[in-house]
Amino acid sequence: QQPVQSPQAVILREGEDAVINCSSSKALYSVHWYRQKHGEAPIFLMILLKGGEQKGHDKISASFNEKKQQSSLYLTASQLSYSGTYFCGTDPYYNQGGKLIFGQGTELSVKP
Amino acid sequence: DTGVSQDPRHKITKRGQNVTFRCDPISEHNRLYWYRQTLGQGPEFLTYFQNEAQLEKSRLLSDRFSAERPKGSFSTLEIQRTEQGDSAMYLCASSRPTEIYNSPLHFGNGTRLTVT
Repeated sequence: QQPVQSPQAVILREGEDAVINCSSSKALYSVHWYRQKHGEAPIFLMILLKGGEQKGHDKISASFNEKKQQSSLYLTASQLSYSGTYFCGTDPYYNQGGKLIFGQGTELSVKP
Repeated sequence: DTGVSQDPRHKITKRGQNVTFRCDPISEHNRLYWYRQTLGQGPEFLTYFQNEAQLEKSRLLSDRFSAERPKGSFSTLEIQRTEQGDSAMYLCASSRPTEIYNSPLHFGNGTRLTVT
């Protein structure tokens, strides 16, 4: 039931783009995205709800395809501060709050 | 918003000892969650509270683990008779009482447990 993230790791140069995918075998109500730097707490990026919406914040955006049970996180014109491990957290139920099932993570390294 | 606070940050204990961790959520958040994270993995759900009521416990959680949130504010997680497999980062998170279905989690920095 754990969602599968791909790729497992990616190395970028500053200014390059990246896509991180999150696929689930179960129907989903929502998908959360978090970023975690080494030794720190995961930080919330965005939530996408059932309905196929796309959200964006600065140069980070995401989409949610409920038919494919898949979400993708798009990082454009990457900055050094984008480095970290990205986790998707999936929620198959409405109103379950934060009882999320997290993927194994995608480690992103942005080099100067 | 002072953030979610966890104490201690690190705990080293010998196998068989009991340990207790504390979490102070963001003050207006009524939902509190405990997750466990091992190296190279995403957080794994353990249990959660709405106010003082424990609403769900993961089936993966053995009966050596117990959590409380006595007055609906801070929470404690106790592990009895620790085993080496309990070594992990224990994360606490809280969320706002409204907009439950789209409420982001605010995580603390975690307690790193090492069982020797």
